[in-house]
Amino acid sequence: QVQLVESGGGVVQPGESLRLSCAASGFTFRSYSLHWVRQAPGKGLEWVSVISYSGASLFYGDSVKGRFTVSRDNSKNTLYLQMNSLTTEDTAVYYCARHREGGGYYYPPSPDLSVWGQGTQVTVFS
Amino acid sequence: QSVLTQSPSVSGTPGQRVSMSCFGSNSNIGIFYVYWYQHLPGAVPKLLIYKDNLRPSGVPDRFSGSKSGTSASLAISGLRSEDEGDYYCAAWDDSLRGGVFGGGTKLTVL
Repeated sequence: QVQLVESGGGVVQPGESLRLSCAASGFTFRSYSLHWVRQAPGKGLEWVSVISYSGASLFYGDSVKGRFTVSRDNSKNTLYLQMNSLTTEDTAVYYCARHREGGGYYYPPSPDLSVWGQGTQVTVFS
Repeated sequence: QSVLTQSPSVSGTPGQRVSMSCFGSNSNIGIFYVYWYQHLPGAVPKLLIYKDNLRPSGVPDRFSGSKSGTSASLAISGLRSEDEGDYYCAAWDDSLRGGVFGGGTKLTVL
């Protein structure tokens, strides 16, 4: 079945780095845009980033711009989020999510997300 | 402070109809589609409404979405106890060049 499985979360100190992975299965990975969304403790959902099906188009939320980098390996059906210069404000559950429609590039890459992973916890703790 | 503004909470009794709003601007809701998500305790977010008022397959027709200008609404009819949870609106924002979520509305079924 269609599935996204995140990994790579953990506990780090402020200023450190972490790389999240999201392994996909059950669909044609290379045809879909993919997003990262996070939820801090007691807070709402926050959009983090999106990468187009080819990886050529990238967008980031203001709170992570310049620190986080999204990428994908279509040969491995895997999405990544490289997180640098982490702060306590980055503590959250991070979800990867697939756009509802595949089949090419379109703008804007709206948060139209029909498949979600179970999330991975990132804790930045001094 | 979220770019999209939602009321913090709404409540209703079983069988009742409730609605919740999402207020944005001409940089987001005014020019792009709105999406609604249901986030139940212990579950992952679920897409309820896409492109303002369309339901993915499997979402009951008790859920409906609408949009007017720079605001959108989600209505739930025939309220059930299992509907209790958080509801989020989302859209693309042209000024931010990114996605945005509302702060969420907590639905309590009394």
